[in-house]
This record gives sequence, C-alpha cells and structure tokens, in this order.
Amino acid sequence: GIQVEQSPPDLILQEGANSTLRCNFSDSVNNLQWFHQNPWGQLINLFYIPSGTKQNGRLSATTVATERYSLLYISSSQTTDSGVYFCAVGPSAAGNKLTFGGGTRVLVKP
Amino acid sequence: NAGVTQTPKFQVLKTGQSMTLQCAQDMNHEYMSWYRQDPGMGLRLIHYSVGAGITDQGEVPNGYNVSRSTTEDFPLRLLSAAPSQTSVYFCASSWRTGGDEQYFGPGTRLTVT
Repeated sequence: GIQVEQSPPDLILQEGANSTLRCNFSDSVNNLQWFHQNPWGQLINLFYIPSGTKQNGRLSATTVATERYSLLYISSSQTTDSGVYFCAVGPSAAGNKLTFGGGTRVLVKP
Repeated sequence: NAGVTQTPKFQVLKTGQSMTLQCAQDMNHEYMSWYRQDPGMGLRLIHYSVGAGITDQGEVPNGYNVSRSTTEDFPLRLLSAAPSQTSVYFCASSWRTGGDEQYFGPGTRLTVT
C-alpha cells in the first residue's frame, strides 16, 4: 500500500515563530488532507489539498503531486497551535481510503 | 447540522464482551468509514461503506463487523472484545466516494480489560 512519512516527528516552537511540516507519499494520490489533533483528541480539518496551494489565516499548505510531497506552513505560531498534525492521503484508485502518516507533534511555548 | 456524531464517548469492556459503537451523520454523505488510533500513531482504516447496503474491509478489519442499512448510520460491532482492541475509534464521512474531504467524529475511547 501507499506509504506516508511526515517530518519532523517532533517540533518545539517559541510563540511567534514560523515552521514548515512535510509529508512525503509513495504513490499518486487524488486525496490529501491535513488535520490538527488537539490535546482533547479531536481531529480538525485544516486543508483538503490534493494539489496546489491554499491559505487559511496563519496556516497555508502546498501539495506538489508530481513530486509526491505536501508542506504545511504555520506562521506566527500560538500556543493553541500545539497538538499533533497529521497528513492523510488517498490513492488515485480509492481516494477515500485514507492512509495516515505518523504525525508531527508540535509544542508551542509561550 | 450536527455533522458526524459518535456514541459512547468512553467505554470499558471485559475480554469477550460484545458491543456496538454508534456513528451517525446528518449531511447526506455517501461515504462513511471507521478508523482506529493507537497511542502515538496515525489512524488506520477498519471498514468503509460507499452507500447504504454496501460495506468493505479496510486495513485492519479482523474482529469487527459493520452494516449500513441507512445513509445516516454506520455502526461498528465488536463481537468478542480483546485487549488488542483497546484504542480510540473515529468515524468519518464524505460527500462522494471517489476522493473527497472527509469529516471526522469526536471519537470513542475504548478500553478492554
């Protein structure tokens, strides 16, 4: 099956710092989503981005499908950004069968 | 519009007991699925459904049954719980079946002793 690798596994930021999270995948996809899992365990949709670039406030994401990677940018980080960020991809033949990466655990210190 | 709802939020079972985790969505989504999340890991697909009356297996289906008699509901059944099924279970749904943004419920935390 498709492999999804996220880096870095852990990230500690000072409040106000910027960061980039990366997601590499091993096969062509027609579904890619970024999620934030907050400290209460809730999965929050950040972006549905199988290709291209999107922005939502301080967050933005870019997926280069031909090179099989996606990037999530966090700018001016806040303590509420803490949690685990997951990338999930769906292969072209079965886009809704998501395979999740291992996540990037982010801690933003005040 | 409640989105995807799951009940119960927490459950403790003894080995060998059975139970059903409930999932419902009010968005008229075709596609529904169940995932499990083990500590420190991403989610893994258990079962999915592309419409009422149609279900199929995901990556880790053993020990679980599903059915989809209506568009809205997609229950997950554990027939004989085992400690290896201790996990957090998430239900998800999406509008289309061929690759679409999925929305997740709040999860059910299950402990099997």
